[in-house]
Amino acid sequence: AQSVTQLDSHVSVSEGTPVLLRCNYSSSYSPSLFWYVQHPNKGLQLLLKYTSAATLVKGINGFEAEFKKSETSFHLTKPSAHMSDAAEYFCVVSDGAGRRALTFGSGTRLQVQP
Amino acid sequence: NAGVTQTPKFRILKIGQSMTLQCTQDMNHNYMYWYRQDPGMGLKLIYYSVGAGITDKGEVPNGYNVSRSTTEDFPLRLELAAPSQTSVYFCASRQGESVTEAFFGQGTRLTVV
Repeated sequence: AQSVTQLDSHVSVSEGTPVLLRCNYSSSYSPSLFWYVQHPNKGLQLLLKYTSAATLVKGINGFEAEFKKSETSFHLTKPSAHMSDAAEYFCVVSDGAGRRALTFGSGTRLQVQP
Repeated sequence: NAGVTQTPKFRILKIGQSMTLQCTQDMNHNYMYWYRQDPGMGLKLIYYSVGAGITDKGEVPNGYNVSRSTTEDFPLRLELAAPSQTSVYFCASRQGESVTEAFFGQGTRLTVV
């Protein structure tokens, strides 16, 4: 079985400061991991994905994430927050087994203060 | 550039009414999914399909039905709407297992009163 835990339901940062959104996963198989972003009243957009290639993954809009197998983590970071980054972020795992579906974390709401 | 298209975008239903949420994709993806998103929560899987003619239950299938007669279409049916089905529904598609990301529709906001 696969699961995802997003450790913070809300994160607030000031514009121009670093962003860290934390995600831990559980998977019986070698997982693929994704971060999706959802802006208010919008659909979900893929930020980045890890698929067993490089452990440091770069995504869109300056975001990146590092896969750490020993810590079962896939934290999302950005060096400098922008007001437009304010949104809901979901960490997602797929281990290719069982239902072949994506399992979502409960989400982290990022607020960016001016 | 259509991707995954859901209709309608908004709907209000009375308790006990029925409706079908439509989902179609033009990417020739084998896998399709229906998720629901409740306020402040992540997405919960309702049903999924790995190809035409094949469907299976997700985490929260009760009160819903699906069919997959073609690769492109994956409608979700609510037979007897209940207030607990008030939610935002997302359809998604994916080329294959594991390494591929899913593409999502814009969502259907359903209110049952």
